[in-house]
Amino acid sequence: GQQVMQIPQYQHVQEGEDFTTYCNSSTTLSNIQWYKQRPGGHPVFLIQLVKSGEVKKQKRLTFQFGEAKKNSSLHITATQTTDVGTYFCAGPGGYNKLIFGAGTRLAVHP
Amino acid sequence: KAGVTQTPRYLIKTRGQQVTLSCSPISGHRSVSWYQQTPGQGLQFLFEYFSETQRNKGNFPGRFSGRQFSNSRSEMNVSTLELGDSALYLCASSSLTSGGAADTDTQYFGPGTRLTVL
Repeated sequence: GQQVMQIPQYQHVQEGEDFTTYCNSSTTLSNIQWYKQRPGGHPVFLIQLVKSGEVKKQKRLTFQFGEAKKNSSLHITATQTTDVGTYFCAGPGGYNKLIFGAGTRLAVHP
Repeated sequence: KAGVTQTPRYLIKTRGQQVTLSCSPISGHRSVSWYQQTPGQGLQFLFEYFSETQRNKGNFPGRFSGRQFSNSRSEMNVSTLELGDSALYLCASSSLTSGGAADTDTQYFGPGTRLTVL
């Protein structure tokens, strides 16, 4: 079945350093979504990418969708303590089913 | 608009018991999905309901079931609980109306129900 792989599993950074998480799919994706889950919280939608090669920015966050629509990345510039949490990518599984990657847990040290 | 609400927030059960969890979607959202989140397996899709019909189901045993009511509220039931069922159960709603097989819309998650099976 369709799988979404995400790396790294954990990332520890000093505040102000950059952070990137990568997502790869075994099949071509019609779209990919990104979610953030704060410790003790629930996943919160960040963005959806649909077009091949698409790049979207949200303040310090940059999201990319690969040309082949099989991979995606999330890059955070100059991390802050508020960026702490787990970042998930998710591919579509039909009828609103999301196939989540394992997530990347980000720890930011002040 | 009020967000997705789930009740109860915490639940402790013993093996062999059954449990019912409730989810109220965002007003106007007709699609409700359920996910199980565990440290070992991550976020796993259980099922999705749209207009009272189950349209998609994950790879979980038949002990896991759900339903949706005419007001879009949804419940999931787990019978004959096992220790491995301990997890955070998340409900998500979506405003997707086209109902296409290839469609996946933004999911708005509730706070979850933390189930502990002893």
